[in-house]
Amino acid sequence: GAVVSQHPSWVICKSGTSVKIECRSLDFQATTMFWYRQFPKQSLMLMATSNEGSKATYEQGVEKDKFLINHASLTLSTLTVTSAHPEDSSFYICSTHSAGAYNSPLHFGNGTRLTVT
Amino acid sequence: AQTVTQSQPEMSVQEAETVTLSCTYDTSESDYYLFWYKQPPSRQMILVIRQEAYKQQNATENRFSVNFQKAAKSFSLKISDSQLGDAAMYFCAYRTFGGATNKLIFGTGTLLAVQP
Repeated sequence: GAVVSQHPSWVICKSGTSVKIECRSLDFQATTMFWYRQFPKQSLMLMATSNEGSKATYEQGVEKDKFLINHASLTLSTLTVTSAHPEDSSFYICSTHSAGAYNSPLHFGNGTRLTVT
Repeated sequence: AQTVTQSQPEMSVQEAETVTLSCTYDTSESDYYLFWYKQPPSRQMILVIRQEAYKQQNATENRFSVNFQKAAKSFSLKISDSQLGDAAMYFCAYRTFGGATNKLIFGTGTLLAVQP
């Protein structure tokens, strides 16, 4: 079945540094990637939607310059948390569907637990 | 804008019993999808069941079934013969029909405990 590989699964970084999270579609092309953030015991909140070859669309309240999204190929989308601070500590999950299969269920990565010290 | 509401933050059920999780949503669209996702402690998102709004028949997947009431905008999940492995956070989600960038909108979740 379709698989989305997300790395790293967990990362600890110091305040002020940047962290990159990768999501790869392993056996299908993904023109669209959804990036979610989940705080402990809370729901998944959509941060942004990335499209291959174009700029990402950010949800209201999400800082574009802080959460840089790149979707340079049909199989890879990255989220970079720039100048991370402790309040950015969270669980980040990517999700996508096969190109053209707009009504198919979304496939999720396993998530990245980010801790900023 | 669409919203999804889960009014039960926590639920508990005895093993082998049946439990129903509630979900309501708000939308002005006529075509859409509704989902129930399970998130165990591993935090992997697992699709439990999916319902197309244009289908009147309620979806079923083994021990899982839904009660979809389109006019009432209600979408509850029934888990029969509950098992210990069913313990998890359950999220109800909405997605507009069609379109590459149609996102999933999640409810706040219901934490289900299964008592042995």
